[in-house]
Amino acid sequence: DIVMTQSPDSLAVSLGERATINCRSSQSILYTSNNKNYLAWYQQKPGQPPKLLISWASTRESGVPERFSGSGSGTDFTLTISSLQPEDVAVYYCQEYYTSLALTFGGGTKVEIK
Amino acid sequence: QITLKESGPTLVKPTQTLTLTCTFSGFSLNTGGVGVGWIRQPPGKALEWLALIYWDDDKRYSPSLKSRLTIRKDTSKNQVVFTMTNVDPVDTATYYCAHSPGYCTSDNCYADAHFDYWGQGTLVTVSS
Repeated sequence: DIVMTQSPDSLAVSLGERATINCRSSQSILYTSNNKNYLAWYQQKPGQPPKLLISWASTRESGVPERFSGSGSGTDFTLTISSLQPEDVAVYYCQEYYTSLALTFGGGTKVEIK
Repeated sequence: QITLKESGPTLVKPTQTLTLTCTFSGFSLNTGGVGVGWIRQPPGKALEWLALIYWDDDKRYSPSLKSRLTIRKDTSKNQVVFTMTNVDPVDTATYYCAHSPGYCTSDNCYADAHFDYWGQGTLVTVSS
């Protein structure tokens, strides 16, 4: 199985500042045949289900603010919130879907306001 | 507008079988590429993928739980039924069902095994 490791476990960022969350996979999740990275990012606020923010490592879902961006390829990925807003306080998860035989989520990163 | 809703018992005794139903609208599980998955989240912990069923009735299970899980679909009722046998208190969690998108070309259909719409979840407690 692919193991997804997120870092840090939590971070506190001042309003308007940048938040960076990392996700590393234990093997490459880049399909060379289509040059796509099979990675998604979710946001989960307290008491709510997860919300898909980004798929294919960098494709923002419709309606997701532009301050959210995804980058990376192969085994190392990053979710960046360019200017943290109060409504961004949440836990963020990465998920690989490389094989669909065993989908794996990362352990989550809690983002708070400093 | 895609919506999903989980239903089932809130309390299950150890060793019993848990059965949850996901009732959805706004899409069809007959559409190529589409799937419905189950994901759980123990209180205060991370998400864990459990199972996924596709439009063509292909089924996928978490390797660590495969022997205990069953997923099936009833396209006429727009429902997906999930079963977990021999439950234990460690199975206490919020269980979510979610829509998995996909697409078709002229040659084939492809499933994108991430989850773009989620139900609100149902908390299941395993306790005697």
